[in-house]
Amino acid sequence: GAGVSQSPSNKVTEKGKDVELRCDPISGHTALYWYRQSLGQGLEFLIYFQGNSAPDKSGLPSDRFSAERTGGSVSTLTIQRTQQEDSAVYLCASSLGPRSYEQYFGPGTRLTVT
Amino acid sequence: GIQVEQSPPDLILQEGANSTLRCNFSDSVNNLQWFHQNPWGQLINLFYIPSGTKQNGRLSATTVATERYSLLYISSSQTTDSGVYFCAVEPSGGSNYKLTFGKGTLLTVNP
Repeated sequence: GAGVSQSPSNKVTEKGKDVELRCDPISGHTALYWYRQSLGQGLEFLIYFQGNSAPDKSGLPSDRFSAERTGGSVSTLTIQRTQQEDSAVYLCASSLGPRSYEQYFGPGTRLTVT
Repeated sequence: GIQVEQSPPDLILQEGANSTLRCNFSDSVNNLQWFHQNPWGQLINLFYIPSGTKQNGRLSATTVATERYSLLYISSSQTTDSGVYFCAVEPSGGSNYKLTFGKGTLLTVNP
């Protein structure tokens, strides 16, 4: 079946602009995660959605970052007023449930802020 | 939070050689996964192995949960095995089911 998909695959934006990154999880997966991979910080958690529960935003680095998940499926990560330190690969993952389930990752969106 | 340490950080092999990658973690876990990140950045699931031993072709993994470590074995390595191998864990307890990743092992397999 189809895996996790993300779009765009690459995004170049100017400092100060807003960007939206999209994630389509595996059909039937109720849990959705966003992670970020950067040279200095490795792979780090950003935000977690489970069903209709309030998201866990504990990993978001600043209030410029927000995310939503519509209809329990597609998710959008928005970064406002982008900064150069936001340059990274943004990875989305999904799993069947919230605990002790295998997570499957999408191909990522490479964001470059110039 | 939980700490995840991987060793070695870098490994260079000749094609056909065997290798063992190690992952140590500092607390009990519900989930442990091994990933291979290919040159295009995609994280490929290798094993979901919070405990026990699994094998998949030339790869196998063992997790000893009571001693808080996991090992990934690669036998008869091929150039396509090159890339970064990550161990990631989900700690027991709490309400956040995020994975915490180690820094990875960069494997280079030369022809």
